[in-house]
Amino acid sequence: GAGVSQSPSNKVTEKGKDVELRCDPISGHTALYWYRQSLGQGLEFLIYFQGNSAPDKSGLPSDRFSAERTGGSVSTLTIQRTQQEDSAVYLCASSIITGGRGEKLFFGSGTQLSVL
Amino acid sequence: AQTVTQSQPEMSVQEAETVTLSCTYDTSESDYYLFWYKQPPSRQMILVIRQEAYKQQNATENRFSVNFQKAAKSFSLKISDSQLGDAAMYFCAYRSAWGGATNKLIFGTGTLLAVQP
Repeated sequence: GAGVSQSPSNKVTEKGKDVELRCDPISGHTALYWYRQSLGQGLEFLIYFQGNSAPDKSGLPSDRFSAERTGGSVSTLTIQRTQQEDSAVYLCASSIITGGRGEKLFFGSGTQLSVL
Repeated sequence: AQTVTQSQPEMSVQEAETVTLSCTYDTSESDYYLFWYKQPPSRQMILVIRQEAYKQQNATENRFSVNFQKAAKSFSLKISDSQLGDAAMYFCAYRSAWGGATNKLIFGTGTLLAVQP
């Protein structure tokens, strides 16, 4: 596609329910990132996928959070037993790793998650 | 661990005027990258400008320029001839250049810029 696509755009759920957030990166981009943006906060790194390498999960806040990337393309972020503090915008980004680390990240428009 | 600090939660500027957004960071590394991202109400983050730490020359992109002071660990963004479309949240970000490290960006908390007509 032309850009990074995220779905749904908005998600309202009840506390305790599981949710899945989807990210469709730009075709050919080998790197994919998930970030969380809470109200009044900066972007918090969650997880990073690069090609066939093991993902960097160091930013996942608890074991209720998990993510996978199938076929090196689409990624799904799953939050189990959602809590009110999980309410935030979840942003996905992708890039081409060229060897340097100053490559440009392309972001999606995010999913606004509201946990009631 | 690296940190990025933006001490101005909100700023305001008159259309056609110049505004400077501040950013400081903390790192023990000598080689890294610094970025300014813009986030309009659409939520999509857009790269405004990028600076490589090993380059002394300040980066410039049209009306946007940076003042990179490596010793002071300061990286401010100057917007000249401000336009209504510049109104957005601006984030400063850091990335390590060391091999083996995750390519993750570390972000500040952002500065909300309002442009007054």
